[in-house]
Amino acid sequence: AQSVSQHNHHVILSEAASLELGCNYSYGGTVNLFWYVQYPGQHLQLLLKYFSGDPLVKGIKGFEAEFIKSKFSFNLRKPSVQWSDTAEYFCAVNARNTNAGKSTFGDGTTLTVKP
Amino acid sequence: DAGVTQSPTHLIKTRGQQVTLRCSPKSGHDTVSWYQQALGQGPQFIFQYYEEEERQRGNFPDRFSGHQYPNYSSELNVNALLLGDSALYLCASSEIGGSAREKLFFGSGTQLSVL
Repeated sequence: AQSVSQHNHHVILSEAASLELGCNYSYGGTVNLFWYVQYPGQHLQLLLKYFSGDPLVKGIKGFEAEFIKSKFSFNLRKPSVQWSDTAEYFCAVNARNTNAGKSTFGDGTTLTVKP
Repeated sequence: DAGVTQSPTHLIKTRGQQVTLRCSPKSGHDTVSWYQQALGQGPQFIFQYYEEEERQRGNFPDRFSGHQYPNYSSELNVNALLLGDSALYLCASSEIGGSAREKLFFGSGTQLSVL
């Protein structure tokens, strides 16, 4: 069975600070990896995804994530956060031979950016 | 272009009752997945419907059932409600083929409270 761990439950940063949110997964096979974001009052939306190739992937709004296979990690980063990045962030994984419909999510990290 | 719509937005039931939640997928999408998100946790996969059949299922009891109609809309039914069924129920749609298959579009969810 798959599992996803997000070790930071709540992160508080000041604007312009750098961000790194941790995500580790457990699964014996090949996986697809995702980060979703939920802004206050909005629905979940895809931030970025990794299927294969370059382990450093770039998403919307300046976010990027790096897949480190040996560490089973897919950490999310942003060099300089903005107040508008305040949101809840979810890491998700699914098996390569399925589709995103059957994804396993972490419990999320709430990011609060102080202006 | 309408996104994923869910109804109702909020629902209050008592233990032992039955509930039906509804979802209309994003235009052009034919696959619907249902998730349960308990407070403070990430979404947990319930099941997925494609071509009016349940294609994949997570670790949920048979009290959770669903249906998909020819227009791709879907219902989630929960029988014999328990207090622990209180959660946000999310619907996500996707295309079954092509690169878009990996991208999920989420609705805003139905908040179910069981008293």
